[in-house]
Amino acid sequence: EAGVAQSPRYKIIEKRQSVAFWCNPISGHATLYWYQQILGQGPKLLIQFQNNGVVDDSQLPKDRFSAERLKGVDSTLKIQPAKLEDSAVYLCASSLGLARTDTQYFGPGTRLTVL
Amino acid sequence: AQSVAQPEDQVNVAEGNPLTVKCTYSVSGNPYLFWYVQYPNRGLQFLLKYITGDNLVKGSYGFEAEFNKSQTSFHLKKPSALVSDSALYFCAVYTDKLIFGTGTRLQVFP
Repeated sequence: EAGVAQSPRYKIIEKRQSVAFWCNPISGHATLYWYQQILGQGPKLLIQFQNNGVVDDSQLPKDRFSAERLKGVDSTLKIQPAKLEDSAVYLCASSLGLARTDTQYFGPGTRLTVL
Repeated sequence: AQSVAQPEDQVNVAEGNPLTVKCTYSVSGNPYLFWYVQYPNRGLQFLLKYITGDNLVKGSYGFEAEFNKSQTSFHLKKPSALVSDSALYFCAVYTDKLIFGTGTRLQVFP
């Protein structure tokens, strides 16, 4: 079974530029998550989708971050404009459903460096 | 507030010795607890979870965790450490979202 795929793996941009990340979840997984992991910290949830609807985006900085999952499968996360403090690893995860017992499976992440 | 704590930034252990990585939690209601491992430049890999039932949970790669309700702990254990176990370990608790600890770096020396 293929895991969660993410691209690119690395991205270096200058502040005020825009960037987009792509995620393809495990086949059949209805729920998709985007996390931000700053160096030395645990991952923090940014946004959660159930199929193509947003379940929780309370921690997404909506003035600069946006995400979509138009067809209920792939998802993109965009930052525009980027700030220095956005330097982090962006992790995508997926799970079968919304149950608390559902295990989240993570992709390899995209390491973003903002200069 | 719901939270999880990993009191040790780093744990050092000799290969072949038992290892323990500590985790304590604070939640209202029944806790749903998870352990993940992160190798360099890779995402998080699921190790095991506690939902209900037996307090000793067995997981991947020979790891197990013991749920202790009275001490609000969920420590990760392995009877015999391998050098390849060296990685960053995260404890997490699910409330309305998955909340991670700050991670514990495990270093296994040959």
